[in-house]
Amino acid sequence: NAGVTQTPKFQVLKTGQSMTLQCAQDMNHEYMSWYRQDPGMGLRLIHYSVGAGITDQGEVPNGYNVSRSTTEDFPLRLLSAAPSQTSVYFCASRAGTRRGANEKLFFGSGTQLSVL
Amino acid sequence: KQEVTQIPAALSVPEGENLVLNCSFTDSAIYNLQWFRQDPGKGLTSLLLIQSSQREQTSGRLNASLDKSSGRSTLYIAASQPGDSATYLCAALKTSYDKVIFGPGTSLSVIP
Repeated sequence: NAGVTQTPKFQVLKTGQSMTLQCAQDMNHEYMSWYRQDPGMGLRLIHYSVGAGITDQGEVPNGYNVSRSTTEDFPLRLLSAAPSQTSVYFCASRAGTRRGANEKLFFGSGTQLSVL
Repeated sequence: KQEVTQIPAALSVPEGENLVLNCSFTDSAIYNLQWFRQDPGKGLTSLLLIQSSQREQTSGRLNASLDKSSGRSTLYIAASQPGDSATYLCAALKTSYDKVIFGPGTSLSVIP
């Protein structure tokens, strides 16, 4: 199993550009989520999904879009990049209730995004 | 709204010491609580997960406890080593289909 795979690892954008951060997991996890991590702010939840076709907002959803068309993939779209979106982005997944009690959260290795 | 805090924000100890990291959460109705480790420039690795029905979990030199009534969890690290130097984060989950909320982390430095 590859676990949680994020691409790209690094990205530089200009203000106003759009892009998609990719996240895929091969563990058949129901729950997937996106966090951003900024110095002094900790990990903040952007969006999350409890299954294909179901998404919900986290703490800081503005400027980001998500969709969940398959169990495996949960892409994060930046609609019009702003310097305030410069951050490290992490995707994470875990099994849902049908998988039993072991619900550890598994993280991808992160995407370092700079918006100029 | 669930809020998670961690004390201290940073900790520096000599090698070999036993130490305790603290995590507090405001909503005692949690489903589980997890402890993670993050090395600089890396992703997070799950260390221990405690279900709401459990009081503690152990893995090697690590022991995590959970007291829902007081809204606290502690991570005990025995015989600390320089390789334990990292940021340790706790995270609370309210229901099995809810979002996971993280604390700000404790940066640990173990001095040889």
